Amino acid sequence: NAGVTQTPKFRILKIGQSMTLQCTQDMNHNYMYWYRQDPGMGLKLIYYSVGAGITDKGEVPNGYNVSRSTTEDFPLRLELAAPSQTSVYFCASSYPMARNEQYFGPGTRLTVT
Amino acid sequence: AQKITQTQPGMFVQEKEAVTLDCTYDTSDQSYGLFWYKQPSSGEMIFLIYQGSYDEQNATEGRYSLNFQKARKSANLVISASQLGDSAMYFCAMREANQAGTALIFGKGTTLSVSS
Repeated sequence: NAGVTQTPKFRILKIGQSMTLQCTQDMNHNYMYWYRQDPGMGLKLIYYSVGAGITDKGEVPNGYNVSRSTTEDFPLRLELAAPSQTSVYFCASSYPMARNEQYFGPGTRLTVT
Repeated sequence: AQKITQTQPGMFVQEKEAVTLDCTYDTSDQSYGLFWYKQPSSGEMIFLIYQGSYDEQNATEGRYSLNFQKARKSANLVISASQLGDSAMYFCAMREANQAGTALIFGKGTTLSVSS
């Protein structure tokens, strides 16, 4: 079991560029999430998905898009990157119940200059 | 209003001492879960302990215990016998059963430094 994997680990983007952060989980979890963590802060929810074909916005969705075509994959798309999107991005997955812990990927450190 | 409040930006403790990291939460749900995660300097998020709102006993996992006081809406993490490897950022998080997607709501974290 690889758990939750994310690629790339690091990326530097120029303002206005686009990119896709990849996330894959092999635990057959229905629920998947994207969070961002700004320096010295807790994680904030960007988007989440409760199953293939179903996605919804979290607390900070502006500037991002997601899709969920399979149970395993939940890519995050950044369009027209801005310096405010410099952050560490975590993908996570879980079973649906509130008591189930979320399993996190190792994170992607993104810098937009 | 903040749903998870961690008031201690930094805590310092000597090896082998116990330390308590504070967490208060705000929810109107009856069913919710409280989590603690550890984030070492390498950056990954490591699950430590979970407490359900209906659990009558305080959760324990090895050297970690959660001091759950429901009426006060507090869920403090107690680390007994601190080790140098406990130096990290610690996040308290809540998951509300009635929240769509049941995503975690995180506090801002507490940095724990353990010295020898």
